Parts: sequence; C-alpha cells; structure tokens
Amino acid sequence: QQQVKQSPQSLIVQKGGISIINCAYENTAFDYFPWYQQFPGKGPALLIAIRPDVSEKKEGRFTISFNKSAKQFSLHIMDSQPGDSATYFCAASNSGNTGKLIFGQGTTLQVKP
Amino acid sequence: GAGVSQSPSNKVTEKGKDVELRCDPISGHTALYWYRQSLGQGLEFLIYFQGNSAPDKSGLPSDRFSAERTGGSVSTLTIQRTQQEDSAVYLCASSLARGPYTGELFFGEGSRLTVL
Repeated sequence: QQQVKQSPQSLIVQKGGISIINCAYENTAFDYFPWYQQFPGKGPALLIAIRPDVSEKKEGRFTISFNKSAKQFSLHIMDSQPGDSATYFCAASNSGNTGKLIFGQGTTLQVKP
Repeated sequence: GAGVSQSPSNKVTEKGKDVELRCDPISGHTALYWYRQSLGQGLEFLIYFQGNSAPDKSGLPSDRFSAERTGGSVSTLTIQRTQQEDSAVYLCASSLARGPYTGELFFGEGSRLTVL
C-alpha cells in the first residue's frame, strides 16, 4: 500500500514531441505529489509538485495532471527538448512529513534531436 | 551559496568493513534526510532529522545502519560490517522545514558505495 508505481521504465521522444509519464498510488493518505528530475551523476532536483486539491498544475512546459478518484497522476512535458533527457521520478508523501517520500522506480527519457 | 555537499563521492570497500558517509547540508536548513538509490531503482527513504527532535529511523534496513547529526548541521551515515547488497548511491537532502511541511528537498550528488 506504500508503493508508487511508475511507467514507462524508459521513453524515447522526438524533439518537439510530448513526453508523458504516469504514476499510480494506493495510500489515500498521500497528499503531496512531487516530480524530480535527475541527470547522470547528479542528485535529483524538484521539477514540479501538486497537492490533491487541484487537478492540474502547469509550470512552463511541464504539467502535472492529477486524478484523485483513480489515484493516478502524470507528468506531461510539452515541446520536449534534448536537454530534457534525464531520469524522472514521481513521488508521494503525506502532510505528516512531506519530505519522507515514497518514490516511483523512475523513467529514463531520451529526447532525440 | 553552496548546495548540499557529500563525501566521499566514491567509496570502494571490502565486505565486512565499516564505512562512514558524510553530509553537509545547506546552511540554515533544519531538516536533513538520507535516501538510498540502488542501481536502476528508485530512491528509498532511510532516516530523517529535524532540529533537536528524535530522528525518524523507520527506513533504516538493518541495525548495521546508523546515522547521527551533530550540532544540527553535519550528518554522518555509518554502515557496519558492509554487505554486497549495501552497494548503492547514498543521497543526502536538506530543506527549510516549517513543521511537517518540509518544502523542497535539495539533494547532494551522492556517495557511491561499492562493496566487493
């Protein structure tokens, strides 16, 4: 019940295309859902986060869509660029400690020029 | 200012030896976390320090793992009698915590541990 399931494991997208990564969770106590971006040899960095009181949050080319009833959330990267090539992790936690995160397994994104 | 600093960046050790991994959080950050990232896996929570409160050790995988945070700043993660399954990247993160809402976690680049 503590798991966060992420798919796909890897993704190849052409430059300018839309990248979509999906996550699903079971624990209804989760109320904070961040996405982290990690480049090789670096630590993860927060990309965007959402709370379940909204169904969508957009920051630049990055959008989180959230479906509370389905217990699913997704990251959409519009106009994908080669510089977006990285590993993306979804995560979830509850307001008791928002930094104590349960992470998905990660998605390796490759954007081809 | 400087980010989260971790040392060593790489550590190769023999099975059965003890290792210490160090984390210097961002100055002023009261919350500090250790996570473990195994090859091809997601990140796994290990331990959380917040101010002077007792740490949340619920993620430590065995009693061979321990951590301390001195003076509310630097933290050391110690693994005793290392095993091959301990091989992973150990990531430290800090944040400006306000109660249970810890805000954005800032991760270091990690310490890669290889146990032969």
